[in-house]
Amino acid sequence: RKEVEQDPGPFNVPEGATVAFNCTYSNSASQSFFWYRQDCRKEPKLLMSVYSSGNEDGRFTAQLNRASQYISLLIRDSKLSDSATYLCVVTNAGNNRKLIWGLGTSLAVNP
Amino acid sequence: SAVISQKPSRDICQRGTSLTIQCQVDSQVTMMFWYRQQPGQSLTLIATANQGSEATYESGFVIDKFPISRPNLTFSTLTVSNMSPEDSSIYLCSALQGANLAFFGQGTRLTVV
Repeated sequence: RKEVEQDPGPFNVPEGATVAFNCTYSNSASQSFFWYRQDCRKEPKLLMSVYSSGNEDGRFTAQLNRASQYISLLIRDSKLSDSATYLCVVTNAGNNRKLIWGLGTSLAVNP
Repeated sequence: SAVISQKPSRDICQRGTSLTIQCQVDSQVTMMFWYRQQPGQSLTLIATANQGSEATYESGFVIDKFPISRPNLTFSTLTVSNMSPEDSSIYLCSALQGANLAFFGQGTRLTVV
């Protein structure tokens, strides 16, 4: 089983739709969780951290479920500019602070 | 957030040659990493660049092929040695800030012919 798993998609949605991505992780001792966004031919950029209590940033909501070992990203009122690959990232316990990356979920928002 | 300048942004190289990629961070960071990303794939960690000591390589990557330098807390280089077409990829450097927040250079798109 991969350490971090995501549905690769692609998710094709119309503008204005609400779309949700899930990401599961295998190590119950994982400590930090993030969503990154990667546009085509660009480097990944931090979208948001994921906190235990859940957090929201505008149209984006991230949640963590430690019991089931998954994190989610919800995008409301999707825009054409939201089209990208969304990468789930987990860090595990220990001093090396290595980031474990999911393969990413592709989102295409259509007019 | 840290700003990372990575160069070159792209290169086309002959097989058997070597290319050195540089990353400069605008602030001191404790951790720097080098990744490779094949088309349509996620990031694969090559190594952790350790300041003042040898890099820590992941399984499948060795120092002779990917020598790394990190002379200080703001700069690192990755060399892709004795290149073959299989080395064609995007190479990304990354730095950690704060609570494991990763920031990336713009990437180097390498094509080996």
